Amino acid sequence: AQRVTQPEKLLSVFKGAPVELKCNYSYSGSPELFWYVQYSRQRLQLLLRHISRESIKGFTADLNKGETSFHLKKPFAQEEDSAMYYCALLTGGFKTIFGAGTRLFVKA
Amino acid sequence: GAVVSQHPSRVICKSGTSVKIECRSLDFQATTMFWYRQFPKQSLMLMATSNEGSKATYEQGVEKDKFLINHASLTLSTLTVTSAHPEDSSFYICSVQKTAANTGELFFGEGSRLTVL
Repeated sequence: AQRVTQPEKLLSVFKGAPVELKCNYSYSGSPELFWYVQYSRQRLQLLLRHISRESIKGFTADLNKGETSFHLKKPFAQEEDSAMYYCALLTGGFKTIFGAGTRLFVKA
Repeated sequence: GAVVSQHPSRVICKSGTSVKIECRSLDFQATTMFWYRQFPKQSLMLMATSNEGSKATYEQGVEKDKFLINHASLTLSTLTVTSAHPEDSSFYICSVQKTAANTGELFFGEGSRLTVL
């Protein structure tokens, strides 16, 4: 079965604290994973993709095939990081399935 | 990137009527568009894949006669919710993928909130 799991609905951290948003996937093929972000009153947009191995806005995510995980991390959270984050899996049929999302709230 | 526009952003209709939502790809030709539905505080659920010039591919459990999808041109896909009922009230989002670029990235419209009274 193809599935993306984000166990935390809400994550609240203080500004400057490290943050990790968890994502696990289930997929029989070779996974292509993404993190999308939705800031308040804005549309969904791509944050980063595993294949690029890049850091965007200080966020990184490493694909761990052994643990079937793709956790999103940032060492020092900022208030402007407060948003809804979705982990997503691109399947072989070019369909993208999304996790339930995690709302990150960074407190001052 | 890609610019995707949805219209209307909000629509309220009476039960039993039909509502059409448009999704336009403004700066590139999209052979494939995706329609998602999002319930409050829940994830995006893929409803169907809209294919230019051919029938849409619906996900399991999505009624194709209820949610009519037309992709008549490379820049426009429409979703028509027929005989709408209050349980159809939701946030509908379209997206496009630049398959030629093969990055897998989705570009989203701003979404359309449907309220059925």
